[in-house]
Amino acid sequence: GAVVSQHPSWVICKSGTSVKIECRSLDFQATTMFWYRQFPKQSLMLMATSNEGSKATYEQGVEKDKFLINHASLTLSTLTVTSAHPEDSSFYICSARVDKGHNEQFFGPGTRLTVL
Amino acid sequence: AQSVTQLDSHVSVSEGTPVLLRCNYSSSYSPSLFWYVQHPNKGLQLLLKYTSAATLVKGINGFEAEFKKSETSFHLTKPSAHMSDAAEYFCVAPARGYNKLIFGAGTRLAVHP
Repeated sequence: GAVVSQHPSWVICKSGTSVKIECRSLDFQATTMFWYRQFPKQSLMLMATSNEGSKATYEQGVEKDKFLINHASLTLSTLTVTSAHPEDSSFYICSARVDKGHNEQFFGPGTRLTVL
Repeated sequence: AQSVTQLDSHVSVSEGTPVLLRCNYSSSYSPSLFWYVQHPNKGLQLLLKYTSAATLVKGINGFEAEFKKSETSFHLTKPSAHMSDAAEYFCVAPARGYNKLIFGAGTRLAVHP
């Protein structure tokens, strides 16, 4: 149980285009989903927290107009990188939590984004 | 402020020898604590978690960790390393209010023959 999937697992795009990454909880309903970014050989950096049906809460320094997050249902959250540039190339990981009383997060396998 | 400190950025062991990955936390309250493992280009997999039920926690793949409040530590151990244990390991604690996770910087474990 508690499986989280991400799609795509990797994507290559041209500079200036937008890329959408999906995060799904496969066998549970996730009231909260989280999006992280990970640079090579570094720890995870929380980008934003999204609750189903409400606006995402972005961490300081993360551009909300650049990284659009939608959490339309209890099993799906999407991250759209708008007008991507090479500096947006990174490993993006999502996680999901059942509810606030459970502090464990279940992580997706990650999406490798490369912007040319 | 709450924090998680992993004392070693790299650990290298021989196959079959014990593994020790060190983690210290600072918190004004009794925390939950987790150890996650990340293989290259993969997501994070939960190894084990401490939730105050027992101070010695057994996880998957032969790993265990002991919560020591007096030392504010939660070190990860394994009696005998396998080549497949080579990965990045993260010690993690929930922030107060449980809305975020606080990650350690990670420890890269190398296992050589």
